[in-house]
Amino acid sequence: SAVISQKPSRDICQRGTSLTIQCQVDSQVTMMFWYRQQPGQSLTLIATANQGSEATYESGFVIDKFPISRPNLTFSTLTVSNMSPEDSSIYLCSAPRSGGFGDTQYFGPGTRLTVL
Amino acid sequence: ELKVEQNPLFLSMQEGKNYTIYCNYSTTSDRLYWYRQDPGKSLESLFVLLSNGAVKQEGRLMASLDTKARLSTLHITAAVHDLSATYFCAVGHQTSGSRLTFGEGTQLTVNP
Repeated sequence: SAVISQKPSRDICQRGTSLTIQCQVDSQVTMMFWYRQQPGQSLTLIATANQGSEATYESGFVIDKFPISRPNLTFSTLTVSNMSPEDSSIYLCSAPRSGGFGDTQYFGPGTRLTVL
Repeated sequence: ELKVEQNPLFLSMQEGKNYTIYCNYSTTSDRLYWYRQDPGKSLESLFVLLSNGAVKQEGRLMASLDTKARLSTLHITAAVHDLSATYFCAVGHQTSGSRLTFGEGTQLTVNP
């Protein structure tokens, strides 16, 4: 199984500031994904982080608010910009086991963000 | 737009009983996932279902997929307290099966 780590595991931030979350996968993968889980809710896909090209954002999410970097096949960052209390959520990155069809999608431990 | 619905959203059951969680989805897909989430934890992968009629079992949990009905089930046999958790189904998008849309989740509580 893929091992995915995230930093930080949690943070408390002030309104108007930005936080960058890091995601590291222990093997090379073509695609990595970023999800948001609001308190007591399900997961919602924010964007797909593609190596060598710009991230692809889902409806309702924009690059200015959630810029994503993907410098290589094992690492990605998600920045939550100009934060407000509504951004308080758990942010999870995900990657398939080997990048191929039908593989299990594994999830990182998540970053619990609280915005005051 | 792909939509995924689970029911029930909350399930309280006695140890030793059987029950089924249902997952319906709105558009064609070639893969469906089941995950478990414990409070304050990330998601644990349970099953990946890739074809019509697929059935997978692990311990007291069995998952099946009917792509024609766009329905997956997660059946719990002889529940035990350790199965208490939130269970999510997630469906892969047709254009990119690795992009997932999640159901609302089923919060399962197994009582002694």
